[in-house]
Amino acid sequence: EVQLVESGGGLVKPGRSLRLSCTASGFTFGDYAMSWFRQAPGKGLEWVGFIRSKAYGGTTEYAASVKGRFTISRDDSKSIAYLQMNSLKTEDTAVYYCTRGVGYYYGSGSPGYFDYWGQGTLVTVSS
Amino acid sequence: DIVMTQTPLSLSVTPGQPASISCKSSQSLLHSDGKTYLYWYLQKPGQSPQLLIYEVSSRFSGVPDRFSGSGSGTDFTLKISRVEAEDVGVYYCMQGIHLPPYTFGQGTKLEIK
Repeated sequence: EVQLVESGGGLVKPGRSLRLSCTASGFTFGDYAMSWFRQAPGKGLEWVGFIRSKAYGGTTEYAASVKGRFTISRDDSKSIAYLQMNSLKTEDTAVYYCTRGVGYYYGSGSPGYFDYWGQGTLVTVSS
Repeated sequence: DIVMTQTPLSLSVTPGQPASISCKSSQSLLHSDGKTYLYWYLQKPGQSPQLLIYEVSSRFSGVPDRFSGSGSGTDFTLKISRVEAEDVGVYYCMQGIHLPPYTFGQGTKLEIK
């Protein structure tokens, strides 16, 4: 059974940093791209970024709203994906979801969609 | 960025009756590889989103056959043949072709009458 468990959320002041973790099980983690999404309170879904598998260089892509502030990394030996969030803003307040990417574009390692989602972890940025 | 527009934004349906949600994209979601990168998710109250339909019309594992997807190019529809109480929640369409970013519709809230 595929499981994704996020951790690391909490209350943080504007301008500070926070690192989220996504611990995966039930599949060969290293074979998949992993992505993060977020959902502000009462709002819709927003893609944050993804990291390709090592077979595609483990490279990353980000939404414009977080580029330069957020970094996604992975540790395939531990089956964990990370979201490092720096220079946090109040508008980053949201539930953050970890997802598994599938349906890849041929030769790109970029997923077309995301089949499994974690339960989410709440990040609150407030002074 | 691709804009995804869902209608209606809310829906109240009697159990056993059908329901339909429309999703329109600002650009075609048909790729040169022949696939159409349009997906449907359901977020039940208090839960994370779950995949219902991928590539327009393929049901994800475990999704009941009362759910069906159709459409092409820029116009897509999710249909529930007979709504059940467990179908309540917010339905989102998502495009996965014009990247980055992946973009979603605003969501359609389904309630039971």
